[in-house]
Amino acid sequence: DIQMTQSPSSLSASVGDRVTITCRASQGISNYLAWYQQKPGTVPQLLIYAASTLQSGVPSRFSGSGSGTDFTLTISSLQPEDVATYYCQKSNSAPWTFGQGTKVEIK
Amino acid sequence: EVQLVESGGGLVKPGGSLRLSCTASGFTFSNAWMNWVRQAPGKGLEWVGRIKSKTDGGTTDYAAPVKGRFTFSRDDSKNTLYLQMNSLKAEDTAVYYCTTGAWVYYAMDVWGQGTTVTVSS
Repeated sequence: DIQMTQSPSSLSASVGDRVTITCRASQGISNYLAWYQQKPGTVPQLLIYAASTLQSGVPSRFSGSGSGTDFTLTISSLQPEDVATYYCQKSNSAPWTFGQGTKVEIK
Repeated sequence: EVQLVESGGGLVKPGGSLRLSCTASGFTFSNAWMNWVRQAPGKGLEWVGRIKSKTDGGTTDYAAPVKGRFTFSRDDSKNTLYLQMNSLKAEDTAVYYCTTGAWVYYAMDVWGQGTTVTVSS
């Protein structure tokens, strides 16, 4: 099975900072990559699908890029409400494996 | 309103069984590929598996840790998804979410609120 590896596992940044999270697949998955945000105590929400398509209602400070094996989620200007754990997930074929998550905190 | 509502969670002894249900509304359930995702306490998300729509064959895929113990089924007449869990282990303790891609392909844009399964003696 294809493994998904996120880095870093956690980060602390200041409000207004640009934040980048990476996700690497152990084999190519084209653009079958989604990003989810899970705020503390809440249900995960879809942020981005097809590697770079922003889900409806998601702020434009979030963006995704990549194809093949290497992907990034960028928050252009970190806001206090972005404190959450972010997960990537492959969806080219079963199993739809998640990355281990990246916890984002405010410095 | 698009909604998924899980039920059936609870406390069960190791080796026991439990059946979860997920009732859908607000979208065409019969066309949807439905997933189960779980999250153990303090841990990350784990995809448990999925069942395709009947028009796409109704086939199922399971994550390795649950294969042979869990079974997915669906009743499109009731807009309901089921997860039959047998031979439960302590490591199956988690919040179980029902999810689908109601308006997107190859992603999950609709999640239920989750139901908690605790496997303990």
